[in-house]
Amino acid sequence: QLQLQESGPGLVKPSETLSLTCTVSGGSISSSSYYWDWIRQPPGKGLEWIGSIYYGGNTYYNPSLKSRVTMSVDTSKNQFSLKLSSVTAADTAVYYCARQYSSSSGTPFDYWGQGTLVTVSS
Amino acid sequence: DIQMTQSPSSLSAFVGDRVTITCRASQSISRYLNWYQQKPGKAPKLLIYAASSLQSGVPSRFSGSGSGTDFTLTIGSLQPEDFATYYCQQSFTTPYTFGQGTKLEI
Repeated sequence: QLQLQESGPGLVKPSETLSLTCTVSGGSISSSSYYWDWIRQPPGKGLEWIGSIYYGGNTYYNPSLKSRVTMSVDTSKNQFSLKLSSVTAADTAVYYCARQYSSSSGTPFDYWGQGTLVTVSS
Repeated sequence: DIQMTQSPSSLSAFVGDRVTITCRASQSISRYLNWYQQKPGKAPKLLIYAASSLQSGVPSRFSGSGSGTDFTLTIGSLQPEDFATYYCQQSFTTPYTFGQGTKLEI
């Protein structure tokens, strides 16, 4: 059974960089059928897609965050990562990593990590 | 960006009721529409993909329909475990966007 697990600091200071890693187990991150994504949810609010990365390194970012986002993949560790720079209180959210299945029928997020709360505060 | 609008934002119902949630896209997304269920403190769970395809393991009381800009999620007979928040999401083009959510309450 595929599992995704987010890890990283739960508290980040304003203006600093948020860094999270998602470890994939029970399957290979190097499959050609999948993209690997970050999605966030501010407390009590809805879901926002941050970006996607393919195992080959191709990335797709939400334009609203693009200037501050960097995603990377480490196939040797079966991990992918998120860096969000110059954070503010508005970046406080539960951050989820997810697998995005790519097919002619669409590209749903079919597996999710449990999520990790990141609070931006001094 | 494609805006996704769900209605209603909240809904009260009883066990055994048939419930329908609507999702409208700001432009045509063909059938690139997915539905998720989220319970408090948990990650979203995929229910329906490609507008009407039931994800493996999801009970058959859940069904989806629609194409273009208008979509619906129907729960045939509500069970106690179905009380949650439901989100639609378009996967037609990036940036992928979600509806604001529909909270289904007893």
